[in-house]
Amino acid sequence: AQKVTQAQTEISVVEKEDVTLDCVYETRDTTYYLFWYKQPPSGELVFLIRRNSFDEQNEISGRYSWNFQKSTSSFNFTITASQVVDSAVYFCALSEAGGSNYKLTFGKGTLLTVNP
Amino acid sequence: SQTIHQWPATLVQPVGSPLSLECTVEGTSNPNLYWYRQAAGRGLQLLFYSVGIGQISSEVPQNLSASRPQDRQFILSSKKLLLSDSGFYLCAWSAYIQTGTGPYEQYFGPGTRLTVT
Repeated sequence: AQKVTQAQTEISVVEKEDVTLDCVYETRDTTYYLFWYKQPPSGELVFLIRRNSFDEQNEISGRYSWNFQKSTSSFNFTITASQVVDSAVYFCALSEAGGSNYKLTFGKGTLLTVNP
Repeated sequence: SQTIHQWPATLVQPVGSPLSLECTVEGTSNPNLYWYRQAAGRGLQLLFYSVGIGQISSEVPQNLSASRPQDRQFILSSKKLLLSDSGFYLCAWSAYIQTGTGPYEQYFGPGTRLTVT
C-alpha cells in the first residue's frame, strides 16, 4: 500500500526566510507520480507540481523548488525568500500508475505560517 | 479554460436529514471526477471516484453515495446525515487517463463546508 508522510505538522518562519517542507513516500510500484498542492485559508487546493518516478531532475519555478530523491523516497519542497502569501497548508501526494482511476494518497499536510 | 464549480459553499444540516452536494466541470470532456472529505484533522480522504457516466467507485463504506448523471456532473448524497459526516467536501477532476500516460494532476473545486448538528 502506498503512504505519504509529512512529518512537519506546522512550521513558522519570518518573511524572507527560506523554508523546506519534507515529504517521504512509500510505494511498491516502480512507476508512480508525486504531487504537491497548496491549500490557502480559502480552502481550495491549488496544484503546484507533478513529477513521475523516472524523472529525478530537480525543478525550480520562481521561488519554488523541488528536490526528488528516489534513494531516500523523498520529494521535498523549498520556498525561497518566503512571503506572507505563502502561508497555507501544503500537501504532498502520491499516485501509483495502475488501474484507470489513479487515486491520490495525500500526506496529512504541513501548515506553513509566514510572519511579517 | 476549465473550471469546476461546487455548491453550496456552506451548509448546516440536522442529524438525520438528507444531503445533496453538486459539482460541475466546464471546459473539458470525459473527465475523471472525485469526491474527497477533509475532516478537522486536515487529512484528505477519497470518498468516490468516477471514470464515466454512471460509473462510480466507492473507497470508504459509509452512508454517503455518489452519482454521475451527466459527463461533467458529480453529485454526493446521503439519505440520513450523521454527526460524523461533518467536514469539508471537495470535488476534483482530472483529464481522462489513457493507458500508459500516467495520472494527471487533479484540480479541485472551492469546496463545501458541511456542519451536521
